[in-house]
Amino acid sequence: DAGVTQSPTHLIKTRGQHVTLRCSPISGHKSVSWYQQVLGQGPQFIFQYYEKEERGRGNFPDRFSARQFPNYSSELNVNALLLGDSALYLCASSLYISSYNEQFFGPGTRLTVL
Amino acid sequence: AQSVSQHNHHVILSEAASLELGCNYSYGGTVNLFWYVQYPGQHLQLLLKYFSGDPLVKGIKGFEAEFIKSKFSFNLRKPSVQWSDTAEYFCAVNANTGGFKTIFGAGTRLFVKA
Repeated sequence: DAGVTQSPTHLIKTRGQHVTLRCSPISGHKSVSWYQQVLGQGPQFIFQYYEKEERGRGNFPDRFSARQFPNYSSELNVNALLLGDSALYLCASSLYISSYNEQFFGPGTRLTVL
Repeated sequence: AQSVSQHNHHVILSEAASLELGCNYSYGGTVNLFWYVQYPGQHLQLLLKYFSGDPLVKGIKGFEAEFIKSKFSFNLRKPSVQWSDTAEYFCAVNANTGGFKTIFGAGTRLFVKA
């Protein structure tokens, strides 16, 4: 079975640009979460979506937004990129929305902002 | 706010040595606790989890962790490490408030010398 997939693998942008990252969850999983992992730190929670609705948001500015589609795939959008947005962006999926559910992580998208 | 502290950022051990990685969290209510592992070149994956019941939980590959509520700790242990245990280990907590905001620690890089 395919795991969580993310695209693109790597991305280079310049300050002020916009970026869209994509995630496909494991088949049958209805919840998708997004995390930002800066070098040397653990993943930081950005968003959680379940059944196309935002169900959780971390401490990130409004430049960050996301959505979930009817097929449960998800996009993370970041506007007006800053140098500090350079990080590995991880997507994780789980069956349902519950603090008990195991999350399955994708390989991440490495974003570099110049 | 919830937070997770991992005491050691880097650990170097020889094969067959015993391992204990410290993890403390700050949250006064009921929590769900996780250890995730990231092997070189691979995705984050679940090592073990604690929800309730026996505070000593066993995970994959011979790992175990003990939840000590009075100390707000969830330390990871393995009696005898192998070279293949070289990886980065993340402790994570999700407060049982019905939400799904998982907070990760900064991670511990373990290197096992053959």
